[in-house]
Amino acid sequence: QSALTQPASVSGSPGQSITISCTGASNDVGSYNRISWYRQDPGKAPKLIIYEVNKRPSGVSYRFSGSKSGNTASLTISGLQAEDEADYYCCSFTNTYTYVFGIGTKVTVL
Amino acid sequence: QVQLVQSAAEVKKPGASVTISCKVSGYTFTDYYVHWMRQAPGQGLEWMGVINPRGDKTVYAQKFQGRVIVTRDTSTATVYMDLTSLTPEDTAVYYCAPERPKTYVFDFWGQGTLVSVSS
Repeated sequence: QSALTQPASVSGSPGQSITISCTGASNDVGSYNRISWYRQDPGKAPKLIIYEVNKRPSGVSYRFSGSKSGNTASLTISGLQAEDEADYYCCSFTNTYTYVFGIGTKVTVL
Repeated sequence: QVQLVQSAAEVKKPGASVTISCKVSGYTFTDYYVHWMRQAPGQGLEWMGVINPRGDKTVYAQKFQGRVIVTRDTSTATVYMDLTSLTPEDTAVYYCAPERPKTYVFDFWGQGTLVSVSS
């Protein structure tokens, strides 16, 4: 199972919106809405920010939203803030009852 | 609240094995699956496997088949991950994370255990 494809880095200015793509295949992203996104700060464990493609856990800002089309899921951060700088990972359930993560995207606020 | 406490960092030689523990509290142990992930230095997250503590059923990533074994001890609410035939490429932080069955998300994560493999 190959890692899901994400851009290595995405940047934006404060207040802008950015979108991180997560491309998989028909046996993972394309087959299920079991797509989640995690934020990871340096030296820390990942934190769940989106689940089931577009649902936000309690306490996660409305500025984070998710979507999916075909084999590609996306995470959008609107109203970018300095505190959004972190690494972001997508994750998908697969048809072999396993999970696969994306390679990760570093978000930089200019 | 849910808490996961992992065992301390380990230093191993190539060819050795390592066992990492993950002691859980704050929920009924058999109600949640427990997954294992790892992250090599400067690299991304990698899913390794999962155990259903209720029935001891496991599923492993194909990459680790034959080299990883996940077990559980219901009396101590602890999950163990054994990784054998270590190479320097296994140097990573290893995380455990529970999943409420069929939710497909990892709400909580252990603090991570660094395993360093070097001759």
